[in-house]
Amino acid sequence: DARVTQTPRDKVTEMGQEVTMRCQPILGHNTVFWYRQTMMQGLELLAYFRNRAPLDDSGMPKDRFSAEMPDATLATLKIQPSEPRDSAVYFCASASLTANTEAFFGQGTRLTVV
Amino acid sequence: QKEVEQNSGPLSVPEGAIASLNCTYSDRGSQSFFWYRQYSGKSPELIMSIYSNGDKEDGRFTAQLNKASQYVSLLIRDSQPSDSATYLCAVRSGGGADGLTFGKGTHLIIQP
Repeated sequence: DARVTQTPRDKVTEMGQEVTMRCQPILGHNTVFWYRQTMMQGLELLAYFRNRAPLDDSGMPKDRFSAEMPDATLATLKIQPSEPRDSAVYFCASASLTANTEAFFGQGTRLTVV
Repeated sequence: QKEVEQNSGPLSVPEGAIASLNCTYSDRGSQSFFWYRQYSGKSPELIMSIYSNGDKEDGRFTAQLNKASQYVSLLIRDSQPSDSATYLCAVRSGGGADGLTFGKGTHLIIQP
């Protein structure tokens, strides 16, 4: 059952705390995207990687957000320090550049910063 | 700034009728176009992709692309209550797996 796996599914944290979200892309997919979804803004692209190299993180607030891909099976998105305005659902998606260009989404991490 | 525009709805359609969802995009260099369905509290699920002008049919779904008009549409025939969801239009520029730009979605309600 090929799917993108995200952890945790839900996270409630206090303002100022560090938050780390994890994503396991579909095996064989070489491109990983991080999206944030809010009611007001919809789905926004934060960053993406191809073959583990960061290609575009222009959508990400650089002062507090960081994204890494330490190996082909793990991508991380970190927020430090977290703020209430970061409350959103964060989605990871993966795609295979060689097979097709369709992106498949994980179940998301619902982040609430209080 | 790449933009993808959709009518937010809600769009209400009686069961069994055809639902028509529309999307326009600003980047003329866009090459790949996708429709995702998202149920409340769930993740976006890919239902259609289209890469060239014309129609593409898959079961009850038909995607239509007109690059000259920068317009993409999705038709759902024989609408079912289970089709009630938010439909997201997504666009990608270039031939590689670049990031998708999403519209804010159209909320579709199928009335039994």
